[in-house]
Amino acid sequence: DVQLTQSPSTLSASVGDRVTITCRASQSISTWLAWYQLKPGKAPKLLIYEAASLESGVPSRFSGSGSGTEFALTISSLQPDDFATYYCQQYNDYWTFGQGTKVEIK
Amino acid sequence: QITLKESGPTLVKPTQTLTLTCTFSGFSLDTNGVGVGWIRQPPGRALEWLALIYWDDEDRRSPSLTSRLTITKDTSKNQVVLIMTNMDPVDTATYYCVQINGDSYFSNWGLGTLVTVSS
Repeated sequence: DVQLTQSPSTLSASVGDRVTITCRASQSISTWLAWYQLKPGKAPKLLIYEAASLESGVPSRFSGSGSGTEFALTISSLQPDDFATYYCQQYNDYWTFGQGTKVEIK
Repeated sequence: QITLKESGPTLVKPTQTLTLTCTFSGFSLDTNGVGVGWIRQPPGRALEWLALIYWDDEDRRSPSLTSRLTITKDTSKNQVVLIMTNMDPVDTATYYCVQINGDSYFSNWGLGTLVTVSS
């Protein structure tokens, strides 16, 4: 099993802040990593795939980076709509998710 | 526009069998590479992939739950059905239907349906 460890579990930030969430894999997964945004009452949303490719329609303030075992999701300037929970997910070997990072208002 | 919608019981008793239906639109499950599957999220916990079925009837199931899961499709109705046997309170979760292309990421999700397991 590929385990994914996200950090931090909770992040307090203000509108306009630059925030970074990290995701570490227990073994190399190349760039087979995606990021999702979850908000209560809404369908989860794909943000990033293949570690760094921006899904169509996703604002350019979101970016992904990394390969192998270390990955990051960065929001360059946090907007009110971005307060949510974010999950990384690997698809190198079956499909597993990180434990999530809640981005809350500071 | 692609949509997926989950339906099924909101409450099941321990040891009962859960049957969930995903009804989708905007794509066809007889298109090469396309798959539909299920992911769940227990309250306050992380997401967990459960099962997938592909356009060619190939299915994948979580190794930790494979003996309890069955997934089937009805292409003519644009539906995928998940059956989970021997339900337990730890199976209480929001169950999501998802679309996938190949062995990759989940492109589209449904809103999810909360299933509670309690006597």
